[in-house]
Amino acid sequence: GQQVMQIPQYQHVQEGEDFTTYCNSSTTLSNIQWYKQRPGGHPVFLIQLVKSGEVKKQKRLTFQFGEAKKNSSLHITATQTTDVGTYFCAGGMTGGYQKVTFGTGTKLQVIP
Amino acid sequence: NAGVMQNPRHLVRRRGQEARLRCSPMKGHSHVYWYRQLPEEGLKFMVYLQKENIIDESGMPKERFSAEFPKEGPSILRIQQVVRGDSAAYFCASSPTGVLNTGELFFGEGSRLTVL
Repeated sequence: GQQVMQIPQYQHVQEGEDFTTYCNSSTTLSNIQWYKQRPGGHPVFLIQLVKSGEVKKQKRLTFQFGEAKKNSSLHITATQTTDVGTYFCAGGMTGGYQKVTFGTGTKLQVIP
Repeated sequence: NAGVMQNPRHLVRRRGQEARLRCSPMKGHSHVYWYRQLPEEGLKFMVYLQKENIIDESGMPKERFSAEFPKEGPSILRIQQVVRGDSAAYFCASSPTGVLNTGELFFGEGSRLTVL
């Protein structure tokens, strides 16, 4: 079955440093979604990318979808303590219906 | 517009008892997904349902677990004869469309099951 892996599993950064998490799918995706889960909370949708090579920005966050639609990345510039949480990518596959497979997640800790 | 509502938020059961978790999707959403999350782990897909239909239950254990989404009322995830390994957070998510949907999933706050 489809697998979606993320690296790194954990990342500690000093406040102000940049952070990147990478997402790789074993199969070609229809779209990629990104979610953030705060400690003790629930996943919250951040963004969706659909087109090959697409890049989207949300303030300090930059999301990319690979040309082959099998990988994606999330880059945070100048991290803040409010960025703490686990970031999940979720690969969407259309084959009758949209099945979303979540990645393994990257847990970000920001040291003030 | 209320979000996805899950209850109970916390549930404690002894081994062998039954756990029932409920999920009311957002208004206007007819597609429900259940995910399980073990501590410090990712979200594992369990089942996808539409009203009165199970579309994909490929992530559900074959025994003891069942799910439904009746015409009226919330979706229910039922775990019979719980074991300690069932202790986890169970998240429900809803979406307005399922087939060829390219939209986001709206998650509830989860039900945290502890099996003693």
